[in-house]
Amino acid sequence: KAGVTQTPRYLIKTRGQQVTLSCSPISGHRSVSWYQQTPGQGLQFLFEYFSETQRNKGNFPGRFSGRQFSNSRSEMNVSTLELGDSALYLCASSWSPTSGSVEQYFGPGTRLTVT
Amino acid sequence: KQEVTQIPAALSVPEGENLVLNCSFTDSAIYNLQWFRQDPGKGLTSLLLIQSSQREQTSGRLNASLDKSSGRSTLYIAASQPGDSATYLCAVSRVNDMRFGAGTRLTVKP
Repeated sequence: KAGVTQTPRYLIKTRGQQVTLSCSPISGHRSVSWYQQTPGQGLQFLFEYFSETQRNKGNFPGRFSGRQFSNSRSEMNVSTLELGDSALYLCASSWSPTSGSVEQYFGPGTRLTVT
Repeated sequence: KQEVTQIPAALSVPEGENLVLNCSFTDSAIYNLQWFRQDPGKGLTSLLLIQSSQREQTSGRLNASLDKSSGRSTLYIAASQPGDSATYLCAVSRVNDMRFGAGTRLTVKP
């Protein structure tokens, strides 16, 4: 069974631009969560989707948004990029609607650099 | 608010040594606790998941324990190898909420 895939793996953008990251969960998984990882803040939860509905949201500004499609694939969008948005963005999938109750599987991440 | 702390932040040991990584959390109302491994610049690999009703889980040379009442978990690595060098993170989960520790960076020297 294929794991969680994320595209692109690396991305360089300039301040003020917007970016869209993609995540394909493990087949059969309907929950997708997004995380931001930086050296200073560690891993921080962005949001979670289940069956195309956002179920939970972390403490990030409205510039960060996401969506999930009917095939469970998810996209994350960041508008008006800032230097501080440079990070490794990870997505994780699980089969359960209550994602905290079961094991989560992580993708390899997208490394975003904002210059 | 759940706080997760991992001590030490970094650890260097010679090959073959047994070692223990620590994770503590402030709110004992959790669903489970998960240990992950992360290699530099890569995603997270799940190592062990302990449900809140369990006390420990084992996989190969790894053993994780959970003491919910004291808010502590340990990851024991037996007979460490250079390939074990990575950052180890613990994460505690409640309903639709997962909080991570900052991780312990482990270096196993040949």
